[in-house]
This record gives sequence, C-alpha cells and structure tokens, in this order.
Amino acid sequence: QVQLVESGGGVVQPGRSLRLSCGASGFTFTSHTIHWVRQAPGRGLEWVAVISWNGGDKYYGDSVKGRFTISRDNSKNTVYLQMNSLRRDDTGVYYCARQGNGAAFDFWGRGTMVIVSS
Amino acid sequence: DIVVTQSPDSLSVSLGERATIYCKSSQSVFRSSNNNNYIAWYQQKPGQPPKLLLYWASTRESGVPDRFSGSGSGTDFSLTISSLQAEDVAVYYCQQYSTTPGWTFGQGTKVEIK
Repeated sequence: QVQLVESGGGVVQPGRSLRLSCGASGFTFTSHTIHWVRQAPGRGLEWVAVISWNGGDKYYGDSVKGRFTISRDNSKNTVYLQMNSLRRDDTGVYYCARQGNGAAFDFWGRGTMVIVSS
Repeated sequence: DIVVTQSPDSLSVSLGERATIYCKSSQSVFRSSNNNNYIAWYQQKPGQPPKLLLYWASTRESGVPDRFSGSGSGTDFSLTISSLQAEDVAVYYCQQYSTTPGWTFGQGTKVEIK
C-alpha cells in the first residue's frame, strides 16, 4: 500500500537549520510530484513546497522562499526539505503529500513536528 | 495567489441531517483546456493527516462514501454531507490547485454533532 513517512522533526533554536525527510513506498515514486504542507498548532493547512518527479521543477511558498530547499533522491525514494534560518512561526506539523488523482493531494504522511523555540 | 475562503467556520448538525460547506475562490479555478474546476476537498480528524475526499470539485476519491458530494464552478463551490454520521466529525478544507505554483487552502470548517 502507499506509504509516506516523514522524519527529522524536533526542537530547534531560532536561526538554526533542520532537514526533514519523506520516505515513500508502495507506488512508483518516479511517477509522482511530491509536496510539503505544514500546519501550525491549532491552525489550518499551508502549502510549503513542491518538487516534480525528476526534481527539475521546484516551487516554494512565499513564507519560506529563500530559506527552505526541497530536493529528492529517486534512488532512495525520498524527498527532503532543508530548512534554514528557522523562525518561531515555522513551528508546526510538516506533512509530505503525493500529487495524484486529478492533481490533488491523494496520499499524506502522518507528519513530523517541528518546534522552533529558544 | 488565489485566496480561498470557506463558510461557515463551524457547523453544528444533527445526526442524519444535511451539512453543507461553502468555498469561494478570489478568481476562477476553471480550466477550459480540460473542462475541470481545480478544487479539492479534504477531511481532517484530530491527530490525523488530511484525507482527500473530492477532486475536480465533484469527483469522489476511491473509497469515499457517496454521502459526500461536491458541486460548483468558476469561483463558488460547496461540499455536502447528505446524512451526517458520527464519524464525519472533522475539519474540512477546500483547496484550489489551479495555479502553479500557489496551491492554497481555505481556513477550514469544523463540523460537529448538534
């Protein structure tokens, strides 16, 4: 079955860096665009970044542009999110999601929590 | 970016009754190239990731009960639960994916049992 598993979250001080991973299984990884979406505590969903199937196209939300970098290693079925210059308002659960049916996000991981705090 | 606004923010409905959530986008999400509206609906239960319910505004994802339906075109959309069940208590989000990049979500609508 399709699985997406996020890892790498934790507590980090403002200004520091963190790298999240999204491991995929149960489907043809190289056929899918992958997104990162985050959710601040008690808040709604915010799209963060996207990477195309071959890594050739990458886009970012305005709030993370210039600080976050998305990449993928198709030999490892893994997408990464390098987060630099972290701010307190980057705190939240980070989900990776597969772009699938009708170009919507048809499978989501369970998320990894990032807490930016001194 | 296209702004997506849901209404109401919360909804209290009796078991077996109809629940309707509205979603309005700041510009049209219809693409004449394939005659589709680029709106999706998600359900999120506490402590869980979102789950895709509908895409292309009205196409039900595999396995989603037929009491969930979507309608609308252009800028105005709705999600209807025809007969609310206890397991439908959740927050529902609409999402537009008409523009690349710039996927945006509505603020969410919390559905509770009256």
